[in-house]
Amino acid sequence: GENVEQHPSTLSVQEGDSAVIKCTYSDSASNYFPWYKQELGKRPQLIIDIRSNVGEKKDQRIAVTLNKTAKHFSLHITETQPEDSAVYFCAASRRYSTLTFGKGTMLLVSP
Amino acid sequence: SQTIHQWPATLVQPVGSPLSLECTVEGASNPNLYWYRQAAGRGLQLLFYSVGVGQISSEVPQNLSASRPQDRQFILSSKKLLLSDSGFYLCACLRQGLGNSPLHFGNGTRLTVT
Repeated sequence: GENVEQHPSTLSVQEGDSAVIKCTYSDSASNYFPWYKQELGKRPQLIIDIRSNVGEKKDQRIAVTLNKTAKHFSLHITETQPEDSAVYFCAASRRYSTLTFGKGTMLLVSP
Repeated sequence: SQTIHQWPATLVQPVGSPLSLECTVEGASNPNLYWYRQAAGRGLQLLFYSVGVGQISSEVPQNLSASRPQDRQFILSSKKLLLSDSGFYLCACLRQGLGNSPLHFGNGTRLTVT
């Protein structure tokens, strides 16, 4: 089955800096890669996703890149703000299969 | 878009007591439904998923069971809770027929077994 590795497990940045979270996956047939943000005590919420026919996708301060050859994908947050502080999960799946999640990255943005 | 209802939001139960958590979905027909558990400060562990009424797949053998008596209803149960069953239980939904599409989570139930 699929295995998703995520790092770092914790990331501390100053407000205004950029943050990068990286994930690798094992199943070369995986073709869908969502990212979720989970604030303390809340449910995970989808913030951005990318499919394997695209190498990069951007939504305001958030971008995701995908390298199919190397089997890794990354989340980039620019101009970080304190409200970006949360746990971020990457995930991967192939068509019609269940999502496999990474173990999460706790992002702390200090004012 | 679909809405996922989970209740209760919080629950405190003694060891050895039974458990029943319910999840219902609005706005989606024949969805795939999932139960995840999240221990404090940990990742998302898939417990069960269902692709249709009466169809349950178990990912991790444990003290829990799941049932899907109706298309939009998914129930997580236990006959006797253990301390290790404490955690944040999340129901999730995936609309079928859309190929790969995002999971949507309910608000979760925080279970404390004492």
